Amino acid sequence: GQSLEQPSEVTAVEGAIVQINCTYQTSGFYGLSWYQQHDGGAPTFLSYNALDGLEETGRFSSFLSRSDSYGYLLLQELQMKDSASYFCAVNTGFQKLVFGTGTRLLVSP
Amino acid sequence: EAGVTQSPTHLIKTRGQQATLRCSPISGHTSVYWYQQALGLGLQFLLWYDEGEERNRGNFPPRFSGRQFPNYSSELNVNALELEDSALYLCASSLRSGTGDNQPQHFGDGTRLSIL
Repeated sequence: GQSLEQPSEVTAVEGAIVQINCTYQTSGFYGLSWYQQHDGGAPTFLSYNALDGLEETGRFSSFLSRSDSYGYLLLQELQMKDSASYFCAVNTGFQKLVFGTGTRLLVSP
Repeated sequence: EAGVTQSPTHLIKTRGQQATLRCSPISGHTSVYWYQQALGLGLQFLLWYDEGEERNRGNFPPRFSGRQFPNYSSELNVNALELEDSALYLCASSLRSGTGDNQPQHFGDGTRLSIL
């Protein structure tokens, strides 16, 4: 089977740093993506890692370790607008993205 | 630049009926993807179309089908609707994708399908 595990919920305060972990077991692996989804909204692409290491895009960074089947999304200088659900997704080949069940991030003042 | 557009926003059907959902990709994108997002669950991959051809399919029964038109827009058809088909159906588009490369997928706001 294919599975991606993420924490169901994470809470943090404005200005803090939060890390959302993702471990995966899939039949194929071409890369790990992260998407953000606000309630009632469409998922939006945040980042992608095909190779091991850290990718930085503004306040967001994503890390991948293929040997550990593990990745994380790091959000810095948290803002209230970052409150949303965050999904990791593995490209298992032929553009089939397998998504995790999502992590709900709650940012409080 | 217009984003991915989906219609209708909401669709209410009864068991056994057929539903048709439509998607227009971002201009210049040739790949279209369909996902199902049931309440409280993650996104489940349904279909991938590129250049008018079905390129990959998720673990869904054959009553879920679709097509892509020459202008790259797409339709998802669900026949013999069942109660568990109630979900948000999301369409995404990307630039042309190969088997393993990653083109970011840009999502529409979805069609909420409710089965009574």
